[in-house]
Amino acid sequence: GAVVSQHPSWVICKSGTSVKIECRSLDFQATTMFWYRQFPKQSLMLMATSNEGSKATYEQGVEKDKFLINHASLTLSTLTVTSAHPEDSSFYICSALRGSYGAVRTDTQYFGPGTRLTVL
Amino acid sequence: RKEVEQDPGPFNVPEGATVAFNCTYSNSASQSFFWYRQDCRKEPKLLMSVYSSGNEDGRFTAQLNRASQYISLLIRDSKLSDSATYLCAVRPPVYSNYQLIWGAGTKLIIKP
Repeated sequence: GAVVSQHPSWVICKSGTSVKIECRSLDFQATTMFWYRQFPKQSLMLMATSNEGSKATYEQGVEKDKFLINHASLTLSTLTVTSAHPEDSSFYICSALRGSYGAVRTDTQYFGPGTRLTVL
Repeated sequence: RKEVEQDPGPFNVPEGATVAFNCTYSNSASQSFFWYRQDCRKEPKLLMSVYSSGNEDGRFTAQLNRASQYISLLIRDSKLSDSATYLCAVRPPVYSNYQLIWGAGTKLIIKP
């Protein structure tokens, strides 16, 4: 269980175009999803927290008008990179939060396979 | 001081050996702890959650030391396929929405 899909897996686009990335939790509902970015040989950087039915919460330094997030259902969050530029080229990864209710409640993030964006 | 710190490595270890690495965290009230592994150009995959009593999954053992504020991961009888970057993640109590604070990762290379 806890399968998260992400589409597309890679995309190449021209500078100035917009790119939409979808993140889906396939076998569980996720009221919270996260969007990360990772540059080569660097650590994960959280961009924003996506909450179903409400506005996303962006991390400091992340432009909300450039990285549009929509979490319209309990299984789908989308990230749109608007007016993409070469410096936006990166590996974008989403994760979905799944709660587990054993002896101790643990909410765990499960990651999608990522989207490699190249902006020419 | 970073909130979550890991030795970046790389750790070069012969196949079959035992290897261990730690991850320190700064917030003593942190609640949840995780180890993920990330292969080159892939997404992180959950390896194991770390419980207060420690937990074991096959060749992997995770421990939590609250007094010294670190978690550890021990890999026994290492395999070539264990080569990856191991990320620790910590959830401090002040964060809403269950965000995680990530370490930068420890790179492990298992050599034949």
